[in-house]
Amino acid sequence: EPEVTQTPSHQVTQMGQEVILRCVPISNHLYFYWYRQILGQKVEFLVSFYNNEISEKSEIFDDQFSVERPDGSNFTLKIRSTKLEDSAMYFCASKTEETQYFGPGTRLLVL
Amino acid sequence: EDQVTQSPEALRLQEGESSSLNCSYTVSGLRGLFWYRQDPGKGPEFLFTLYSAGEEKEKERLKATLTKKESFLHITAPKPEDSATYLCAVNSGGYQKVTFGIGTKLQVIP
Repeated sequence: EPEVTQTPSHQVTQMGQEVILRCVPISNHLYFYWYRQILGQKVEFLVSFYNNEISEKSEIFDDQFSVERPDGSNFTLKIRSTKLEDSAMYFCASKTEETQYFGPGTRLLVL
Repeated sequence: EDQVTQSPEALRLQEGESSSLNCSYTVSGLRGLFWYRQDPGKGPEFLFTLYSAGEEKEKERLKATLTKKESFLHITAPKPEDSATYLCAVNSGGYQKVTFGIGTKLQVIP
C-alpha cells in the first residue's frame, strides 16, 4: 500500500542553523501538508501546498519557514534559523479526496 | 475557528471490556471528521472519515459514528494491541487545514 515517507527520522541541530526536512508524498496525490506536534501537545497545522504554491498557512508558519516541491516526488520544509521552540515532531501529509495520510515524522531537536 | 474536544484524556480497559471515546466538535460547515490512531513516536495512522450526521463506519473492533455535534469511536472487546492514542480531527468550510483534538490515550490491559 502506498505511503508517505519522511527523512531524516531524527535531526539534531544547533540554534540558528538551517534545517531541511524531506517528504515523499503518495504518488497520485495533489495536495501536500506539513504539521508539527510538540511533545504532549496537539498536532498543529503549518501549511498546505497545491499546484506549486502555498494554498493556506497558519500563524506558526512565519518568514523562517518555507516549502518547496523541487521535483516531481519530493516536498520539503525549510526552517532558516532554528529556535529552541522549533523542537517538535514534524509530519508531512498528502491528500486524496478529503482524507490526509500522514508520514512517520521527523523528530527535530534544537539545542 | 474550528474546535475539537476529546474525552476522556486517558482510558484504561481490561482486555475484552468494550467502551467508547468521545469527540465533540464546533465547525462552520463540516467537510469531514477523521479518526486516526497514533502510536508513541509515530505519525497518525488513518482509521475513518465521516462526512455527515448518521454515518457509521466499522473496521475490525472499531466503529465510528457521527452526529451534528459529536463523534464516537466504539471499541468492542479490545485487545492489548489496540493500546494507542486515538485522535479526532475535522476539516471545514473552504479550508485545507485539519484541526486535531488532544487525543484519548487508551491502554488495554491483558
